[in-house]
Amino acid sequence: QKEVEQDPGPLSVPEGAIVSLNCTYSNSAFQYFMWYRQYSRKGPELLMYTYSSGNKEDGRFTAQVDKSSKYISLFIRDSQPSDSATYLCAMSVGNYGQNFVFGPGTRLSVLP
Amino acid sequence: NAGVMQNPRHLVRRRGQEARLRCSPMKGHSHVYWYRQLPEEGLKFMVYLQKENIIDESGMPKERFSAEFPKEGPSILRIQQVVRGDSAAYFCASSPQPQGVETQYFGPGTRLLVL
Repeated sequence: QKEVEQDPGPLSVPEGAIVSLNCTYSNSAFQYFMWYRQYSRKGPELLMYTYSSGNKEDGRFTAQVDKSSKYISLFIRDSQPSDSATYLCAMSVGNYGQNFVFGPGTRLSVLP
Repeated sequence: NAGVMQNPRHLVRRRGQEARLRCSPMKGHSHVYWYRQLPEEGLKFMVYLQKENIIDESGMPKERFSAEFPKEGPSILRIQQVVRGDSAAYFCASSPQPQGVETQYFGPGTRLLVL
């Protein structure tokens, strides 16, 4: 079993839809949970991160962490074509860059 | 303030040749991380360096791979005697301190193709 699992997609949705992206993990020691957006041929860009459990909202984006189920989600409201990208989840035991474990990413296409 | 820069953006090598990938961190950042991204796989940590020091190389293959971050100039990831399995995107990230999810910024990557 991989430490972090993520459905690779591709996921296609119409513009304006609510998108739900998810990751599951096996290491109960993870405390930091991140979502990155990666456009084609670009580097990952941090979207949001949460520490421990709970929800965090930033504009159209909401991140949720359910540590009891070892499951994290990213919701995108009112999706736009500019949201078309690969979304990577990542997690870590401590807040140290070398300990980040990344999922393979979900490719999202938002169709106009 | 320029972002993290990597060059070349694309590199083609034949099996057995050497590949040198360069990463210039953001201004004021003295911590550099290298990651490898294979097709359909997540980023995998390779090595973490500070100026003139390798802090953590637990993700580096034991042979053929080396990294440095000299006092002056970019960080360099060197792959000797490349093989087809080395074909991947290599990303570096930099940060001003060792901790801090929010302060780590990624470069655009170098795509290595081994023929």
